[in-house]
Amino acid sequence: DTGVSQNPRHKITKRGQNVTFRCDPISEHNRLYWYRQTLGQGPEFLTYFQNEAQLEKSRLLSDRFSAERPKGSFSTLEIQRTEQGDSAMYLCASSYGDLEGDTQYFGPGTRLTVL
Amino acid sequence: AQSVTQLGSHVSVSEGALVLLRCNYSSSVPPYLFWYVQYPNQGLQLLLKYTSAATLVKGINGFEAEFKKSETSFHLTKPSAHMSDAAEYFCAVSSSGGSYIPTFGRGTSLIVHP
Repeated sequence: DTGVSQNPRHKITKRGQNVTFRCDPISEHNRLYWYRQTLGQGPEFLTYFQNEAQLEKSRLLSDRFSAERPKGSFSTLEIQRTEQGDSAMYLCASSYGDLEGDTQYFGPGTRLTVL
Repeated sequence: AQSVTQLGSHVSVSEGALVLLRCNYSSSVPPYLFWYVQYPNQGLQLLLKYTSAATLVKGINGFEAEFKKSETSFHLTKPSAHMSDAAEYFCAVSSSGGSYIPTFGRGTSLIVHP
């Protein structure tokens, strides 16, 4: 069990640029979640996948945000035309088994800074 | 709908003292409740979770939490604080009312003085 990994760990970009983050879940986990965490706040849910199906995406912050999990393994989160307000920590988590009360395992996050 | 309120953005204790971190939840259906810990530059790690099996839940690192339905609370305690307990602690709730997607509180920063 190597844990959930996220790359890059840090990303600095200029306003208006596109960025893409990658998450590799624990290998046998079928669910994968994306969260945003801003300073002084808890994680805020964005979207999640069960295998390759994106089951909830209504809470993505705007249409500039999109996520994929094409083969049910790793996932990418893309932010287009970044804004300074997008600066935050982006967390990925994975889980398996019953959705009800499941335990999520978090990666270390990708810290995005938009200049 | 579900929500979590963590009272106190910062809690300061002396090493060896009791740790008490407060969490109150709101849920119209039976909830699942979680406490996570986040160390600097690391992801969240599960300390413990309540799944209705027992109201007193024991977790890792000597932490425990008690589910009190009448008070809608799930406070986290540890009898004796260690310097290594200094971290950010998050309470979270999930339920069928929220499609089992957890809602997190704003977090409480635990400061441990020598």
